[in-house]
Amino acid sequence: GESVGLHLPTLSVQEGDNSIINCAYSNSASDYFIWYKQESGKGPQFIIDIRSNMDKRQGQRVTVLLNKTVKHLSLQIAATQPGDSAVYFCAENRPGYSTLTFGKGTMLLVSP
Amino acid sequence: KAGVTQTPRYLIKTRGQQVTLSCSPISGHRSVSWYQQTPGQGLQFLFEYFSETQRNKGNFPGRFSGRQFSNSRSEMNVSTLELGDSALYLCASSLETGGTEAFFGQGTRLTVV
Repeated sequence: GESVGLHLPTLSVQEGDNSIINCAYSNSASDYFIWYKQESGKGPQFIIDIRSNMDKRQGQRVTVLLNKTVKHLSLQIAATQPGDSAVYFCAENRPGYSTLTFGKGTMLLVSP
Repeated sequence: KAGVTQTPRYLIKTRGQQVTLSCSPISGHRSVSWYQQTPGQGLQFLFEYFSETQRNKGNFPGRFSGRQFSNSRSEMNVSTLELGDSALYLCASSLETGGTEAFFGQGTRLTVV
C-alpha cells in the first residue's frame, strides 16, 4: 500500500559527526514533506519542511534533500550533538488530503 | 507566542469508561488534527477539524469522536475505553487545512487499565 517508510530504525553516531536519516515515500503525488524530532516524553517537534518544487532546503545545522525520481527524502544533521538524540519522523502530505502520513521513525543515538 | 497546549498530560482510566482530551492550538491557527501514537503502530491519523468542521477522518471506530469550537480549541472523546486505546494522543495545529506546517503539542498519555 501507499506509505512513508524509513530505511534504518536506529542510527548511532559520535558527537561531531554528520548524520543522515533516510525516508522513502511511495506516493509520487505527495508534494509536501516535513521532518519531525521527537524526544522521549514529548510531542514531535517541527524541524524543517520542503515542497516538491524544491530539491534541497537548509535550516540551522539541518538540510533536507528531496529526490523525486526515486521518491527519497533525507535529513542531514551537521555536527551532531548529544541533544540531537531522539526519534526522527518524516511525514508526507498529498494534494487534496488534509492529513500527514508518517513513517515509523528512526532512532538517532549520539555518543559523547 | 504560546505553542499547542494539550490537557491533561496524563490520564488513567478503566475499561468501559469514556475520556475527553483537550487541545488549544497556536493562536491564529484554525486547523487541528489528532493523532494516536503507539509503539506498534506509530503515528496514526484520527481526524482533522477546520473552522469547526471535520474535514477528514482516519480509520478508527466510531468510539473516537471530536469537535472544534469557535475559538479553534478542540476536544476528542473516546467512549467505552478498551485496553488497546492506551496511547499517546497528539494534537497538531496548522494555520490552514492541508497538513502543512503542523505543530504538535506535548500529547496526552492515556493509560487504560
